[in-house]
Amino acid sequence: DAGITQSPRHKVTETGTPVTLRCHQTENHRYMYWYRQDPGHGLRLIHYSYGVKDTDKGEVSDGYSVSRSKTEDFLLTLESATSSQTSVYFCAIMDPTVAAQETQYFGPGTRLLVL
Amino acid sequence: QQQVKQSPQSLIVQKGGISIINCAYENTAFDYFPWYQQFPGKGPALLIAIRPDVSEKKEGRFTISFNKSAKQFSLHIMDSQPGDSATYFCAASITNTGNQFYFGTGTSLTVIP
Repeated sequence: DAGITQSPRHKVTETGTPVTLRCHQTENHRYMYWYRQDPGHGLRLIHYSYGVKDTDKGEVSDGYSVSRSKTEDFLLTLESATSSQTSVYFCAIMDPTVAAQETQYFGPGTRLLVL
Repeated sequence: QQQVKQSPQSLIVQKGGISIINCAYENTAFDYFPWYQQFPGKGPALLIAIRPDVSEKKEGRFTISFNKSAKQFSLHIMDSQPGDSATYFCAASITNTGNQFYFGTGTSLTVIP
């Protein structure tokens, strides 16, 4: 998985609790992304980062926040988890200067269940 | 609004047959069209990609056909094998933006032995 780890891999939590997912990369890629994957929707971008402390919203950012204090780490926080946030979350990295192509490399995913 | 429309949602093919998955887009600014393959419990992985300056790209049994005027592209899997059973996603992006990256909704392919 291209030097990308996600933790935890599985989590069960209750509605209203905060949850933080971590993505760690060893590739020194500039861009990092958080997606959620749901049946019938494919992969939808939540937030992305284009450098340390530089982040921006994706198409489904409501209820989520992110932080990137180091190149290698990108955190996704569900401020107050809801059942609609039950999903599989994928982190991805990209660096267009590598091999002159814009391939996103994905982590193994985190399966989150909000009860 | 779905930026990239993918069909079919699911596909069942006999071993040795040809699997065809289609995608369509509207934004003519897209200039990079990758296909990703995802096995259960894993993250998507790049399979093959094409840029709009060519109409076809082949890598082994996998071929992308690209029709710029129709704003469509498709993945062809020749001699489909049971090991090809996976979910396939098309995607489209605008290079050098870092964030204009959109995925189709996925196609679940089952290859029957």
